[in-house]
Amino acid sequence: DTGVSQDPRHKITKRGQNVTFRCDPISEHNRLYWYRQTLGQGPEFLTYFQNEAQLEKSRLLSDRFSAERPKGSFSTLEIQRTEQGDSAMYLCASSLAGFDYEQYFGPGTRLTVT
Amino acid sequence: EDQVTQSPEALRLQEGESSSLNCSYTVSGLRGLFWYRQDPGKGPEFLFTLYSAGEEKEKERLKATLTKKESFLHITAPKPEDSATYLCAVQGTTSGTYKYIFGTGTRLKVLA
Repeated sequence: DTGVSQDPRHKITKRGQNVTFRCDPISEHNRLYWYRQTLGQGPEFLTYFQNEAQLEKSRLLSDRFSAERPKGSFSTLEIQRTEQGDSAMYLCASSLAGFDYEQYFGPGTRLTVT
Repeated sequence: EDQVTQSPEALRLQEGESSSLNCSYTVSGLRGLFWYRQDPGKGPEFLFTLYSAGEEKEKERLKATLTKKESFLHITAPKPEDSATYLCAVQGTTSGTYKYIFGTGTRLKVLA
């Protein structure tokens, strides 16, 4: 059973550039979540999908952020016109449907905006 | 608003010195409380889910307990490989859906 995978693991970009991250969830999981984690903090919720539908977005997710899950499998998170404040670890998690199922996290993508 | 507070922020233990980490929470309608372990530069690793007050779960040297206001992660006779950040998260009905609200974690260092 393969876990959640994320690509790339590290990304360094210049301010103003666009970046895109990919997440591949555990194959039978139909829920997929994105979180952001800064140094010394716990993960903060950004958005989640059930199958291909994006069901909730955090107020943290500005207009520069967009997420997709086109076929209900992998997901992408794009950040347009990156700012230094976007530097963080972006974590993806997946779970089965229902409240009784825990979320399993991927290794994260570390974004550094210079 | 759902909130999670973890204490202490950091903890240094000698190998074999047992201790407890605290997670205090405020949530309207607790669906679940979750403990994760996170190593530097890695994603959180799932440890336990607790659903109702009085519930306990154990795994190797770790034991998690839950009351109506807080959860404890007890570490018995820790080893250096237990060094990590331990995160607590809650999922509540006022969250609306399935997102977790995380605390800031306890950084544990176990010295040989």
